Amino acid sequence: QKEVEQNSGPLSVPEGAIASLNCTYSDRGSQSFFWYRQYSGKSPELIMSIYSNGDKEDGRFTAQLNKASQYVSLLIRDSQPSDSATYLCAVAPGSGAGSYQLTFGKGTKLSVIP
Amino acid sequence: EPEVTQTPSHQVTQMGQEVILRCVPISNHLYFYWYRQILGQKVEFLVSFYNNEISEKSEIFDDQFSVERPDGSNFTLKIRSTKLEDSAMYFCASKLSQETQYFGPGTRLLVL
Repeated sequence: QKEVEQNSGPLSVPEGAIASLNCTYSDRGSQSFFWYRQYSGKSPELIMSIYSNGDKEDGRFTAQLNKASQYVSLLIRDSQPSDSATYLCAVAPGSGAGSYQLTFGKGTKLSVIP
Repeated sequence: EPEVTQTPSHQVTQMGQEVILRCVPISNHLYFYWYRQILGQKVEFLVSFYNNEISEKSEIFDDQFSVERPDGSNFTLKIRSTKLEDSAMYFCASKLSQETQYFGPGTRLLVL
């Protein structure tokens, strides 16, 4: 059974601070890793994808991947109240062309306090 | 910006009835998916579809479920005889090839 684990939170950070979200996965063969943001009652919205060990930055967001430790993280710098949402970690068994299913974690609820 | 669309946004049905959930994937995408999310739980994979056939399906996707791409644009999920436990948000997703999956807004299904 492939599992993706996240701390459900809530994680509360003050506005302007750095929010750190973590995720571990059980399938060592996982190749693609994603962070989605989900507002209450809405669909998952892609924030970042990462495929190689190391860091990947996109604006205020940085994804970090460590395949040896089976660990993915997302840092949100200069957190804004609009970042308040549930952040879903998802992994896939392949990369590139292919109908790879996503396995999701339960999500971490982030609350940014003004 | 192209997006995945889904209809209806809400569906209420009686237990035992058939429902069809409709999705229009992004037009040049090749891979299509259905996921569901029971209230308060994680998003779960149901089925993937490529080249007019099912690629993968989960244990949830039993004989009560079917998918179809009846024309060049629509992608449907049918539940033949709904159960109370089918109440969930159903998301359609699509992807082009190597890119990530993009999700539609979802259909909230309530089975009474």
